[in-house]
Amino acid sequence: TQLLEQSPQFLSIQEGENLTVYCNSSSVFSSLQWYRQEPGEGPVLLVTVVTGGEVKKLKRLTFQFGDARKDSSLHITAAQPGDTGLYLCAGERSSGTYKYIFGTGTRLKVLA
Amino acid sequence: GAVVSQHPSRVICKSGTSVKIECRSLDFQATTMFWYRQFPKQSLMLMATSNEGSKATYEQGVEKDKFLINHASLTLSTLTVTSAHPEDSSFYICSAKGVSNEKLFFGSGTQLSVL
Repeated sequence: TQLLEQSPQFLSIQEGENLTVYCNSSSVFSSLQWYRQEPGEGPVLLVTVVTGGEVKKLKRLTFQFGDARKDSSLHITAAQPGDTGLYLCAGERSSGTYKYIFGTGTRLKVLA
Repeated sequence: GAVVSQHPSRVICKSGTSVKIECRSLDFQATTMFWYRQFPKQSLMLMATSNEGSKATYEQGVEKDKFLINHASLTLSTLTVTSAHPEDSSFYICSAKGVSNEKLFFGSGTQLSVL
């Protein structure tokens, strides 16, 4: 059972366009992370959001954590070919034991 | 930032052999380590959670006797794929979390190919 659903699953856009990736769940998470992964490598952490409603910016990337801490979004402004990769959200559940559950993933391709 | 070293990065083995993958936290004590499996173009699926000095907690559907996890020290966890078969071929990734660290740090992954 995948607890975190990401949409869209695939996205191919032209350089300079904006896009938003969504990460949704029916479960509450104590924190949520966004990662980017290149083929054959481990995920690289982009950001961690902890507070409901929190917004964080990382250059052209804007991350938001839902008020109820069940969902999150990643918005990229003026996408560049270097943004190409697999974007993964991961929710941390700390009820009982710590556990990180990954979203279904969004594969982004930015064309020059 | 914190570094997690995973080794080997790639392994090819014959069907029926066992393969051990190591995951080391280089500059922090990892009280909890996680092992994930990733199929091509898919997300990471949590296999098990290991805490130092105790037995690993496996996710539903993951065979304990097939995927042996040992977390004997605060800097090392190992995953052993026993009697590997072609269907075990996959990308395996470990991650580690420290006591005072809210972040999760990942190894670079191990590509296992079973012939």
